[in-house]
Amino acid sequence: GAGVSQSPSNKVTEKGKDVELRCDPISGHTALYWYRQSLGQGLEFLIYFQGNSAPDKSGLPSDRFSAERTGGSVSTLTIQRTQQEDSAVYLCASSLFTAGGRGYTFGSGTRLTVV
Amino acid sequence: SQQGEEDPQALSIQEGENATMNCSYKTSINNLQWYRQNSGRGLVHLILIRSNEREKHSGRLRVTLDTSKKSSSLLITASRAADTASYFCATDGVQGAQKLVFGQGTRLTINP
Repeated sequence: GAGVSQSPSNKVTEKGKDVELRCDPISGHTALYWYRQSLGQGLEFLIYFQGNSAPDKSGLPSDRFSAERTGGSVSTLTIQRTQQEDSAVYLCASSLFTAGGRGYTFGSGTRLTVV
Repeated sequence: SQQGEEDPQALSIQEGENATMNCSYKTSINNLQWYRQNSGRGLVHLILIRSNEREKHSGRLRVTLDTSKKSSSLLITASRAADTASYFCATDGVQGAQKLVFGQGTRLTINP
C-alpha cells in the first residue's frame, strides 16, 4: 500500500481482556517496528522484525506482550490480560533497511484505552 | 536512560520567527534523524544526517550535528502556524542496535 496502515485506530477494552493490534507495512519493506507512546511522552521501543523473524524483542514490557509477522508483511501485536498501564498509543513503522538509512514510515497508531 | 534528550521540552514563538530545538545523546551513532508528530499520532520523517556530516538543509529546515559534543540541532526558519507539532530526534546504530532510539520530544507552538 501507499503507507503504513494500522487497525483499529482506537480500541477501548476492559481490564483483563486480550487485544490484537494490526499493522500493514509498506509493500516491500523488510523491517517492521512496534513502538509505544504514553501521553506526552517519547516513543518506547517494543520489538522489531526483519522479514518474519524478530531479532530484537528487548522492549516487550512483560510476557503478556507478544508479536508475530507473517509472509514478511502483516504484523500483529497481542496484549493478553490487559492492564490500565497498557493504555497508550501503539505505533508501527516500516523501513526498507533495518539500518534506518532512509528513515521510518509510521502508521497513524492505535490508541488503546484499558478501563 | 534515554539516548536522546531534546531541549527545550516546550517552545512557543511568534509566526515568522525561527525555532531552534536541540538534541543530545550519549553513545556513538550511525545517523541521527528528526521527526514531526501532529496530534499524538504517526510521526513524519523530516531529515536524516549521517555521522560524517555536519550540516544538512531541507527547505526551511537546517540540521547540524556535532559528534564531538554528541548533540544536534534542528532549526526551522520563518515559522508558520502549520509547524506547530512535537519534534523528536532519533538516533540510529546505538551499540549496533538495528532500531531508532527516540528522545522525549520538544513541543513547538507557533502563535499567529
